[in-house]
Amino acid sequence: GAVVSQHPSRVICKSGTSVKIECRSLDFQATTMFWYRQFPKQSLMLMATSNEGSKATYEQGVEKDKFLINHASLTLSTLTVTSAHPEDSSFYICSAPQGGGENIQYFGAGTRLSVL
Amino acid sequence: GENVEQHPSTLSVQEGDSAVIKCTYSDSASNYFPWYKQELGKRPQLIIDIRSNVGEKKDQRIAVTLNKTAKHFSLHITETQPEDSAVYFCAASIASGGSNYKLTFGKGTLLTVNP
Repeated sequence: GAVVSQHPSRVICKSGTSVKIECRSLDFQATTMFWYRQFPKQSLMLMATSNEGSKATYEQGVEKDKFLINHASLTLSTLTVTSAHPEDSSFYICSAPQGGGENIQYFGAGTRLSVL
Repeated sequence: GENVEQHPSTLSVQEGDSAVIKCTYSDSASNYFPWYKQELGKRPQLIIDIRSNVGEKKDQRIAVTLNKTAKHFSLHITETQPEDSAVYFCAASIASGGSNYKLTFGKGTLLTVNP
């Protein structure tokens, strides 16, 4: 299957700092990527849809100024958690549909964010 | 919007037995239903999917059935093995000709296969 790379895999930071997470489609182009948040023993909660060349679409209740998304190219989307606080600690995962009429989505390996 | 319900939340079976996980969806326009397996701390991996023009699909020990009228779909794992132990998520989506591929996930089922 297609490969989606996500970095970093683990981040530990102090409260108030900003953290950038990258999601790359390695062998296909993705005009759309998705960002999820997953709490322990819970499901994947969609945060936003990242659109190449345009603004991201955020799900209800997700602060767009808190979670900045940039989809600068057909293979890269970034999620920046601004002024992180302990309640932002979570597992963040991106995904990208391979496209071409198919809806098979491939996930990145996830980023474990711990805010102290 | 779409709402996906998944049951049971936990399932424990003996090695060699079958496991069945059921999901229902609310939006009759949904036409794509994937199943993902997620091991602890790892990414979800697609294990099987089904589209609304098909009622059943099988891949070795894994099968998925879809009842469009009732808006429910199920995952069947036969001859379970300890390595099948993981969290399984169902999802639903409207896969249009554009880029609207947003998945709505169920809450997951923790499957434990006891040796």
